[in-house]
Amino acid sequence: GAVVSQHPSWVICKSGTSVKIECRSLDFQATTMFWYRQFPKQSLMLMATSNEGSKATYEQGVEKDKFLINHASLTLSTLTVTSAHPEDSSFYICSAPRRGLRETQYFGPGTRLLVL
Amino acid sequence: GDSVTQMEGPVTLSEEAFLTINCTYTATGYPSLFWYVQYPGEGLQLLLKATKADDKGSNKGFEATYRKETTSFHLEKGSVQVSDSAVYFCALSPGEKLVFGQGTRLTINP
Repeated sequence: GAVVSQHPSWVICKSGTSVKIECRSLDFQATTMFWYRQFPKQSLMLMATSNEGSKATYEQGVEKDKFLINHASLTLSTLTVTSAHPEDSSFYICSAPRRGLRETQYFGPGTRLLVL
Repeated sequence: GDSVTQMEGPVTLSEEAFLTINCTYTATGYPSLFWYVQYPGEGLQLLLKATKADDKGSNKGFEATYRKETTSFHLEKGSVQVSDSAVYFCALSPGEKLVFGQGTRLTINP
């Protein structure tokens, strides 16, 4: 079936560095992908909608200069956490809707980011 | 804005017990409602969904009915198995975006 992958699954970085997370749809094309953030024992919060061929749409309160999103192709979206700080440590999850007769949204396994 | 509130966990049950995880929502309009499940080390998977009032979604023995009058979408299963241990998320979608509840961790003991 359809699969969405994320890379890396785990990343540890120093404060002030930038980290790039990739989200790929493996056997279908996705003109739209979504990026979520999940804090421990809390819900997934939508951060932004990644749009192929146009700018990402950010949810209220999400800094677009902090979280750069690039929908590089019909199967790849990247989230770059710029100048990361410890408060950016979280679990980041992407999803991609597969359009068709039974439209379903597929989720990646997530990327755990720890900023020291 | 739209929101989802679900039963706080963790929930621990014995195998073959009856399961209910409550979920209520607030939304303008008529959203679709979903239950997603996250098994350890895996991504969220759609468990079931309902797109209009009185619809019942079902899958793998789980059921949930879209109740507009009580704005609820409670998840039920008559006899749980150890393999049902996971985190369950209730969600609503007014369009393509999803709004999630906080998740309920379920542990089933043999």
